[in-house]
Amino acid sequence: KAGVTQTPRYLIKTRGQQVTLSCSPISGHRSVSWYQQTPGQGLQFLFEYFSETQRNKGNFPGRFSGRQFSNSRSEMNVSTLELGDSALYLCASSLPGTGVGNTIYFGEGSWLTVV
Amino acid sequence: AQSVTQLDSQVPVFEEAPVELRCNYSSSVSVYLFWYVQYPNQGLQLLLKYLSGSTLVKSINGFEAEFNKSQTSFHLRKPSVHISDTAEYFCAVSPTGAGSYQLTFGKGTKLSVIP
Repeated sequence: KAGVTQTPRYLIKTRGQQVTLSCSPISGHRSVSWYQQTPGQGLQFLFEYFSETQRNKGNFPGRFSGRQFSNSRSEMNVSTLELGDSALYLCASSLPGTGVGNTIYFGEGSWLTVV
Repeated sequence: AQSVTQLDSQVPVFEEAPVELRCNYSSSVSVYLFWYVQYPNQGLQLLLKYLSGSTLVKSINGFEAEFNKSQTSFHLRKPSVHISDTAEYFCAVSPTGAGSYQLTFGKGTKLSVIP
């Protein structure tokens, strides 16, 4: 079956703009989470959604937001882009259940460059 | 809160030699432990995980890791590496509480296998 699909794979934006990234989880997976990966900070948790509700949120400013649709697809949005937002954004999905004991599957990521 | 320390940022090793990638964690609650691998320009793939039971866990491609609660460590080992093992390896933890899908990652260790 298809894995976690993220679009677009690569994009370049200008400071001050906003961006929307999309994630389609593995069929049947209802938990979707997002991570930011940068050379300096490494992998950092952004937020996690389950059944269209945000359950957990990392320590990121309010410019970072997300949502989940009824079909479990998710989007994340970053407004007023800054140079430091340049990163690989990874989406992950998992079956619901007793927490992360279920395997979390990652997509290939969306590479965002802010110029 | 949890934190993960990967003691080596880069590990060069000759092909067919053994390797150990070190991981220590800190947490005030019980955690699950994971190793993920990231090949160039790709997302993360789960290598192995410790949830409970036997403290020695193994992957299908020859890696193994041992959970040591007293030393709060989860080191990754392989007795004989191949060129194809060249990648970045991330250790991660997550609280065992139900509904917890948040992973805390280490900074990663780049394994370079030298022919």
